[in-house]
Amino acid sequence: GAGVSQSPSNKVTEKGKDVELRCDPISGHTALYWYRQSLGQGLEFLIYFQGNSAPDKSGLPSDRFSAERTGGSVSTLTIQRTQQEDSAVYLCASSLGRLGYTFGSGTRLTVV
Amino acid sequence: AQTVTQSQPEMSVQEAETVTLSCTYDTSESDYYLFWYKQPPSRQMILVIRQEAYKQQNATENRFSVNFQKAAKSFSLKISDSQLGDAAMYFCAYRSAGSGYALNFGKGTSLLVTP
Repeated sequence: GAGVSQSPSNKVTEKGKDVELRCDPISGHTALYWYRQSLGQGLEFLIYFQGNSAPDKSGLPSDRFSAERTGGSVSTLTIQRTQQEDSAVYLCASSLGRLGYTFGSGTRLTVV
Repeated sequence: AQTVTQSQPEMSVQEAETVTLSCTYDTSESDYYLFWYKQPPSRQMILVIRQEAYKQQNATENRFSVNFQKAAKSFSLKISDSQLGDAAMYFCAYRSAGSGYALNFGKGTSLLVTP
């Protein structure tokens, strides 16, 4: 597609439930990043995929968080047993080279 | 890890005036990239301007320019002839050179543009 697409745009879930957030990157972009933006904060790196290499998971805050990228394209970020502190905007970005990051509009997750 | 600091949580500027947003960073690396991103209420991060550390010349994009002081580890953004559409959150970001590195962001500056 023309841009990075994220779904859903907004998600409200009950504490303890699992959620899946989807990111559809720009076609041909080999790198894909997930970031988390809590209220009033900057962006916190979560995970990075580059081609067929093993992902860099160094930013995942706990083992409740996981992500996969199928076929080098679409990525899903899964949060298990959601907690209220997981409430944030989750942003996805993709890039081809080192500089050309394109961000999606994010998913606003609210855990009640 | 590299840290990025934006010391101004909020700034205000009148339409057509000039405003400067501050950013400092901490790194031991000599080669890296610096960015300013704009985030309007739509949430999408939009690249405003970028600077390669090995370039001495300050980057410029239309009304946006930077003052890159490598020794001082400072990277400020100047917006000239401010417009109402410039109102947004602005984030400074750092990225190590080489492949496989994510962006490190500051906490942002909220820019208000008044008529």
